[in-house]
Amino acid sequence: ETGVTQTPRHLVMGMTNKKSLKCEQHLGHNAMYWYKQSAKKPLELMFVYSLEERVENNSVPSRFSPECPNSSHLFLHLHTLQPEDSALYLCASSQDLAGEGNEQYFGPGTRLTVT
Amino acid sequence: GQNIDQPTEMTATEGAIVQINCTYQTSGFNGLFWYQQHAGEAPTFLSYNVLDGLEEKGRFSSFLSRSKGYSYLLLKELQMKDSASYLCAASDSNYQLIWGAGTKLIIKP
Repeated sequence: ETGVTQTPRHLVMGMTNKKSLKCEQHLGHNAMYWYKQSAKKPLELMFVYSLEERVENNSVPSRFSPECPNSSHLFLHLHTLQPEDSALYLCASSQDLAGEGNEQYFGPGTRLTVT
Repeated sequence: GQNIDQPTEMTATEGAIVQINCTYQTSGFNGLFWYQQHAGEAPTFLSYNVLDGLEEKGRFSSFLSRSKGYSYLLLKELQMKDSASYLCAASDSNYQLIWGAGTKLIIKP
């Protein structure tokens, strides 16, 4: 595997379910990100991890819970979601925190549908 | 507040040149990124500008004016495969990326 991988690619879940999204980066990067992408809206940054420590939590509802067990893996645990949470969830990584000329590399995303 | 503006959609002809503009307002500034996103795929990095001026990379060029809070992406010799959304993102004082909603570029034969 190369780059950034995400599983599953598609997920349909009910509002009472609990599921997890997984992201893995094979680039040796130190920073990882979760984004939400809804149609015709800007990417919304949800969480940022640098060297396995959370450095950013942009007022995300508690029904989304991130976990970063090591610098290569990032999870997003989901529970009691709402239909408006249906979106594409993108994981990204960068050598260090974005902005110092370090571009972010994105995974293919998980298309989430909440019914 | 922090804001990125770019056109929602543009149409151009195969073989032509198109310029996609982006204006930004951020708390502090640490550079401007452009990404390409094909439908159903992940965004991929195109360019990064932190100093004023033009950066050329093959058929794609990106320009930045820090004093005007303005950038553009220039695509030359357009090909059908260039049909995609182009995302502008500015890095603020905390190195957090502020994203635009993207410009959908439609290429016609």
